[in-house]
Amino acid sequence: DTEVTQTPKHLVMGMTNKKSLKCEQHMGHRAMYWYKQKAKKPPELMFVYSYEKLSINESVPSRFSPECPNSSLLNLHLHALQPEDSALYLCASSQAPSIANEQFFGPGTRLTVL
Amino acid sequence: KQEVTQIPAALSVPEGENLVLNCSFTDSAIYNLQWFRQDPGKGLTSLLLIQSSQREQTSGRLNASLDKSSGRSTLYIAASQPGDSATYLCAVPNNAGNMLTFGGGTRLMVKP
Repeated sequence: DTEVTQTPKHLVMGMTNKKSLKCEQHMGHRAMYWYKQKAKKPPELMFVYSYEKLSINESVPSRFSPECPNSSLLNLHLHALQPEDSALYLCASSQAPSIANEQFFGPGTRLTVL
Repeated sequence: KQEVTQIPAALSVPEGENLVLNCSFTDSAIYNLQWFRQDPGKGLTSLLLIQSSQREQTSGRLNASLDKSSGRSTLYIAASQPGDSATYLCAVPNNAGNMLTFGGGTRLMVKP
């Protein structure tokens, strides 16, 4: 299994809703990442988990809350989002957070905040 | 701080043409460089990872070259097809390897 899966593919939520994005990989990778991508822009790193521990938080607002329950799963909990948070949310993984390792991306979740 | 630039931002070519996409980076102390393809609204597909010790890496009709000293990489696509239409992104890792810095991408359209 050489892929990263993400659910749901699309999500529409109101500003008062609480929802979660899910990411899964079964490649034995120990580093997992959340990126945010706005239209016609490159992905921007949000969080990095290394061996199930949060190692990087790129000054992301607290309305985004990551969680890594185990080495295969990565969640992103969403609460009280703003319309400007609408974007494509991408999950990625790599063997380890090493400079030599290739990152593999999932198909993304298209989020719309009304 | 590493900056990655891709030129051109958009490119339209007729089917069958060979083409070159460019990627430049400001800090030449990179360990590797990764080329990705992204279809509209989709995730990123890794095309090629070229290590700093390599000059070229090939996969099918794709060839990536890397010149660290000049801070440049090129992605050569041979005999382009309409199915190659997508956005192509290059990215380099930071020194810890836990963060990729992406270029702005080149949006390629191959016309039948």
